[in-house]
Amino acid sequence: GENVGLHLPTLSVQEGDNSIINCAYSNSASDYFIWYKQESGKGPQFIIDIRSNMDKRQGQRVTVLLNKTVKHLSLQIAATQPGDSAVYFCGSGGYQKVTFGIGTKLQVIP
Amino acid sequence: NAGVTQTPKFQVLKTGQSMTLQCAQDMNHEYMSWYRQDPGMGLRLIHYSVGAGITDQGEVPNGYNVSRSTTEDFPLRLLSAAPSQTSVYFCASSPLAYRGEELFFGSGTQLSVL
Repeated sequence: GENVGLHLPTLSVQEGDNSIINCAYSNSASDYFIWYKQESGKGPQFIIDIRSNMDKRQGQRVTVLLNKTVKHLSLQIAATQPGDSAVYFCGSGGYQKVTFGIGTKLQVIP
Repeated sequence: NAGVTQTPKFQVLKTGQSMTLQCAQDMNHEYMSWYRQDPGMGLRLIHYSVGAGITDQGEVPNGYNVSRSTTEDFPLRLLSAAPSQTSVYFCASSPLAYRGEELFFGSGTQLSVL
């Protein structure tokens, strides 16, 4: 929604630099993890997922890292572009349900 | 393919009124769900369905009803709207009973309850 960026932690990154967005999860029984991107006024869009038996997965310009020991997930965006400006949030879950984090607002400085 | 279609996009209700938020998908997905999104909070699951005739409660089900009479449609009913239900509502679907497959989201319904 339009207000999705309010009250969120914000990460400001220079265009062309790499971005790292972090997420902590609480349920150690989660067996999959997902990252979504949400642009203002739009619904969330799937970016990448990772299973609990992996610690790294790469996509196009994105890498997700999973550290189950400290229950931490990160999304790395290479060569950040103005079109990457959005709210990014992680999800963790098991069968039939997923719990989402509050999100991080990524601002790309031209 | 239209994907996931939500109607209306905006709605203003008075306290105590009832209404139905519509959600339809044309991808033959078995799994459908409703979330609400509030400022400073993550998406919270209201209700979900793993197939026609099957529904279950999510994290915040109180004040909402759902039904799933067809694979395509999953309406969300507010029986007696309250200001606490002011939020943005998203419908999402997935091909199978969800185990991490990509969720396809609609564009949302912004609801204000006065």
